[in-house]
Amino acid sequence: ETGVTQSPTHLIKTRGQQVTLRCSSQSGHNTVSWYQQALGQGPQFIFQYYREEENGRGNFPPRFSGLQFPNYSSELNVNALELDDSALYLCASTISAQNTGELFFGEGSRLTVL
Amino acid sequence: KNEVEQSPQNLTAQEGEFITINCSYSVGISALHWLQQHPGGGIVSLFMLSSGKKKHGRLIATINIQEKHSSLHITASHPRDSAVYICAVYSNYQLIWGAGTKLIIKP
Repeated sequence: ETGVTQSPTHLIKTRGQQVTLRCSSQSGHNTVSWYQQALGQGPQFIFQYYREEENGRGNFPPRFSGLQFPNYSSELNVNALELDDSALYLCASTISAQNTGELFFGEGSRLTVL
Repeated sequence: KNEVEQSPQNLTAQEGEFITINCSYSVGISALHWLQQHPGGGIVSLFMLSSGKKKHGRLIATINIQEKHSSLHITASHPRDSAVYICAVYSNYQLIWGAGTKLIIKP
């Protein structure tokens, strides 16, 4: 039990639609990061939020956006879905902006784009 | 060349064997994480290292900052240790992941 919950666990969308994935972190964890893991591959860093501001971003287009809220929850939004967006989306929270503390992962949201 | 390289990619061993998984990186880091991912996706943090060595039960992790290398050891391996083990380094506000090592321990 990591104390990080993600929703929904599974969802199916069609190409061109928009999706919002949610992550609820432990109290006091002011850093949250999001990752995309395609089938059979390692996770790829999407972005990180610290105290409600984006402070790091991987090689993902602007249609991937996020929000972090004061209650330690966050969202990943993906617009104009493409087939290649099908993946497991993971969020992780930590108490440190430098990620030098333990990371706590959610179970992930599995997105299928048809 | 990937910034984080793990070896081996796949490892199958018999129960009780001593297991070593290696991780090399080419970037400056503030921390290195060893993570365990079971089938279905759940990821668990095993260790966070910035120097030296850490031990937790049958797991030991070491890091050599000068050589940019870390190892994860499992003593007295057990079938329940079967999982993907991932090395990830924190550099410039992002976590850079290795490709993972798929470990299978046979009874």
